[in-house]
Amino acid sequence: NAGVTQTPKFQVLKTGQSMTLQCAQDMNHEYMSWYRQDPGMGLRLIHYSVGAGITDQGEVPNGYNVSRSTTEDFPLRLLSAAPSQTSVYFCASSYGGPSSGNTIYFGEGSWLTVV
Amino acid sequence: SQELEQSPQSLIVQEGKNLTINCTSSKTLYGLYWYKQKYGEGLIFLMMLQKGGEEKSHEKITAKLDEKKQQSSLHITASQPSHAGIYLCGATGAGSYQLTFGKGTKLSVIP
Repeated sequence: NAGVTQTPKFQVLKTGQSMTLQCAQDMNHEYMSWYRQDPGMGLRLIHYSVGAGITDQGEVPNGYNVSRSTTEDFPLRLLSAAPSQTSVYFCASSYGGPSSGNTIYFGEGSWLTVV
Repeated sequence: SQELEQSPQSLIVQEGKNLTINCTSSKTLYGLYWYKQKYGEGLIFLMMLQKGGEEKSHEKITAKLDEKKQQSSLHITASQPSHAGIYLCGATGAGSYQLTFGKGTKLSVIP
């Protein structure tokens, strides 16, 4: 049982490049989400999904794109990377979402640097 | 939008001492999560509280939810070096799919 798996762990991008952060979970969770963590800002929600084919925006969605074609996978795409997107990205999943009272599991994070 | 303020921002305690971390919300708390994070690692789930007055314990860590004060506290008894890390609280509203986090409390435990 791997839980929530994020790849890559580290990535350096040049400004303007695009890339995809992968997130996979093997717990059959309907709810998945992406956060970014910046010094002094805490964790902020980028996008979330309540099931395959359903996604919605969080607090800071600009510059990011998501899709949910399967229950297991929830990739985060940076369309044209900017230095302001340098951050640590976390993927999370759970049954039912935050207000359900179920445990929300987090991945180990992806460190992204945009130069 | 809901805002969470954690206090203190950082804390240095001697091994064996007790400590308390607070998480205060700008809105009524429906659900409150506590996580621990070590540098360079992901978030480790500690506890989730949903009912006013609820209290949960795991090993030497106890969390309480005071709905009237819109506040949750995390208490560690007889701290150990293994308790060191960043403690994060996250809150959600009824029926919400969004979790809002505080900025964290950095705990250092000196042997």
